[in-house]
Amino acid sequence: DVKVTQSSRYLVKRTGEKVFLECVQDMDHENMFWYRQDPGLGLRLIYFSYDVKMKEKGDIPEGYSVSREKKERFSLILESASTNQTSMYLCASSFPLYSGRKNTQYFGPGTRLTVL
Amino acid sequence: QQQVKQSPQSLIVQKGGISIINCAYENTAFDYFPWYQQFPGKGPALLIAIRPDVSEKKEGRFTISFNKSAKQFSLHIMDSQPGDSATYFCAASNGNNDMRFGAGTRLTVKP
Repeated sequence: DVKVTQSSRYLVKRTGEKVFLECVQDMDHENMFWYRQDPGLGLRLIYFSYDVKMKEKGDIPEGYSVSREKKERFSLILESASTNQTSMYLCASSFPLYSGRKNTQYFGPGTRLTVL
Repeated sequence: QQQVKQSPQSLIVQKGGISIINCAYENTAFDYFPWYQQFPGKGPALLIAIRPDVSEKKEGRFTISFNKSAKQFSLHIMDSQPGDSATYFCAASNGNNDMRFGAGTRLTVKP
């Protein structure tokens, strides 16, 4: 079974703190994604990565950065956390389309971040 | 703006009834339309998916109907069960590596 794990299920931080959210997948997927999930807005893509050290901005990258130093690990960084970044953060991974394999996205359980 | 519009936001169905969730999209380049199911405390998981070369796909009690000319697709859950109570997301992908999700529908199936 594909496994996508996220470092924390719940996190509470203060405004201005630097926050690291870690995601690890064990399926050798090239693609990894970070979304935030908010009621009534669904899942919105923050960043995705299609290879080590490669990254692409999604729909809402402002206030976030990412790091992918190893294929299995994708980190989301909040440089200076703000209250409007309180949300559920979901990591996902998939094979790329060109691989000929299904590009189903597999999700981790999510990290609920509260910024006070 | 939301590239995939999903309705209703919430749905209550009696056990044994049919649950129907609708989605509409604008981008005609989308060519892959999955539905994800999310239980509380879990990440979304792929339920069923369709490509636009077919108008319907059925897997057990779950059916996707696809109308390419109207740019709409829907999920039908037949014989709905309390265990189907979850949030459902439609999504669309255009052959790139990213995907656009609808806002989600919270389904409650009453026993």
